[in-house]
Amino acid sequence: AQSVAQPEDQVNVAEGNPLTVKCTYSVSGNPYLFWYVQYPNRGLQFLLKYITGDNLVKGSYGFEAEFNKSQTSFHLKKPSALVSDSALYFCAVRDDKTGTASKLTFGTGTRLQVTL
Amino acid sequence: DSGVTQTPKHLITATGQRVTLRCSPRSGDLSVYWYQQSLDQGLQFLIHYYNGEERAKGNILERFSAQQFPDLHSELNLSSLELGDSALYFCASSVSHGPSTDTQYFGPGTRLTVL
Repeated sequence: AQSVAQPEDQVNVAEGNPLTVKCTYSVSGNPYLFWYVQYPNRGLQFLLKYITGDNLVKGSYGFEAEFNKSQTSFHLKKPSALVSDSALYFCAVRDDKTGTASKLTFGTGTRLQVTL
Repeated sequence: DSGVTQTPKHLITATGQRVTLRCSPRSGDLSVYWYQQSLDQGLQFLIHYYNGEERAKGNILERFSAQQFPDLHSELNLSSLELGDSALYFCASSVSHGPSTDTQYFGPGTRLTVL
């Protein structure tokens, strides 16, 4: 079975500071990892994904994520946070070994609060 | 804007009723997925259709059903509604039949409130 853990319900950071939102995963096969962001009363917006290759993945709005196979982690990062980055962030995983390759399994979400 | 559209945005109904949620995928996408987002369960995968055929089922109740039509739009039917069915229902679409590398693009959701 596949699963995702986002250990922090909320992350607080000051504008201009670097931010990290943590994600760890568990899969039986190869992990395919995704980050989505949800703004209030909006759908999920795709930020970036890791399929294979370079462990550092760059995505939308200046976000990047680092895949670490030994630690089974896929942390989301941004060098300089903006107030407008405040939102709910979801990590998700797919596993081509489970037999239901359609399914995205999501973490519980981390609320990012960026203050001035 | 992801290009995935969902109607209606909001739906308020009573217990025991039946509702239909509609989704139009991005132009060119053949797969449609339905997810439920609730406070207690988080984001849960319900069902996946590819080019009109059911591909995978998740935690979908027997009271719920879905279909994908020849024009590729999809409908999620929820019947005998209970208070616990109140949630945000998302539709997502992707290009192909759902290999693991596919990106799913999400619509804005339909917020269902059952009173």
